[in-house]
This record gives sequence, C-alpha cells and structure tokens, in this order.
Amino acid sequence: DAKTTQPTSMDCAEGRAANLPCNHSTISGNEYVYWYRQIHSQGPQYIIHGLKNNETNEMASLIITEDRKSSTLILPHATLRDTAVYYCIVRVEGGAQKLVFGQGTRLTINP
Amino acid sequence: NAGVTQTPKFQVLKTGQSMTLQCAQDMNHNSMYWYRQDPGMGLRLIYYSASEGTTDKGEVPNGYNVSRLNKREFSLRLESAAPSQTSVYFCASSDRSKSSGANVLTFGAGSRLTVL
Repeated sequence: DAKTTQPTSMDCAEGRAANLPCNHSTISGNEYVYWYRQIHSQGPQYIIHGLKNNETNEMASLIITEDRKSSTLILPHATLRDTAVYYCIVRVEGGAQKLVFGQGTRLTINP
Repeated sequence: NAGVTQTPKFQVLKTGQSMTLQCAQDMNHNSMYWYRQDPGMGLRLIYYSASEGTTDKGEVPNGYNVSRLNKREFSLRLESAAPSQTSVYFCASSDRSKSSGANVLTFGAGSRLTVL
C-alpha cells in the first residue's frame, strides 16, 4: 500500500473550515484514499473515501488532485467536537481491510 | 444495534499471566481485526480474519494468538503477558457498506490492558 504523509498537528477556529492535507505521491491507480478520525481514546471512525473524483457526505468533503498525488479533507464548519486525530490511508478496495494507520494529524478546534 | 463489543474494558495483569480479549459484532461482517495502540502512536494490526475460518498475521503478531470462533466472534489471547503488551486494544469488523459502497472498518470502544 502507498505511504501517506500528513502534518503532525493543526489548529482551526470553531465555525471555520478545517482543511487537512495528505500527500500520497506513490499511490497506485487502483488505490482509494480513506479518511478516519479518532476522538480522544475512542475507536477510529470512518469519515469518507474516494478514488479520483471529489466526494462529499454529511461529515466532510474530500478533494483529490487530478494527478491523485495528494488530497484534502474539508470539515466545512468545524465544531469543538471535531477535535481529534485524523488519519489518511491509501488502500486497494476489496478483501480484508488491513488498514495501516500512521501518526495522523492532531486537529484542535479552538473556541 | 451494538456494533462491535469488546470485553473487558479494563484489565490489569501480572507478567506471565494469560488472558483473552473477547470481541463480538452484530453487523454480519465477514472480516474482523485486532489492533493495538500505544500512547501517542497510530494503530498497529496484530491479527485479522478475512472470513470465518481464516486468520492471518498483521504487523505485530508476536506474543498473541487469535480464534475466529464463528462469524460474530474473534478473540485475542495473550498466553504469557509482558509489560511491552501494555496497550489499548481495538477490535474492528468490516464489510462493504450498502449505502456508500465503501468497505469500511467499524471499531469497538477498546480494551485498556496494563501488564505489571
């Protein structure tokens, strides 16, 4: 699976859009980009995933560059409850999801 | 809908003792996983079971054994606990989502294990 690089930490003001970048320059054509987050010490929670088109759901938007070497997770109106560690993972679809979680980005939403 | 249930939530062991962490899911998922998370670190895969009747090693399998008892249950056993196994253990299951089409993991709340 391709490796990902994320900033160690980020801050964002409550009510603003939080933009979390992820670099995956060695991604293969059949690998998807997944985002999960982990709030405090809870189990990680799935947010969104995509292959090459931009995606949006009730939680977030995912913007993938045309060359697919990087992506951005956008939380449009961040709240204090969005404070968490965000993991960007690249994985081939199907089969057992042996996801490799790196260090992630620790996002702090400030009041 | 309980999702993924892990027991116990907390456990303290002495070095050399054995114990089993239990995990059950009620979502009819085919695949199940055990991860560990050390302080300030990301999750590392210990073992996984792609389907009932199969198990495979992950990144850090040494010191652990697993049993896929049936489709619902996947247990993790520490035969002789060591202080290096002090960690938070997460069980997860996965299958393709009917609504999104994504093959996503659903995690349990975690089991905090301390080995003295």
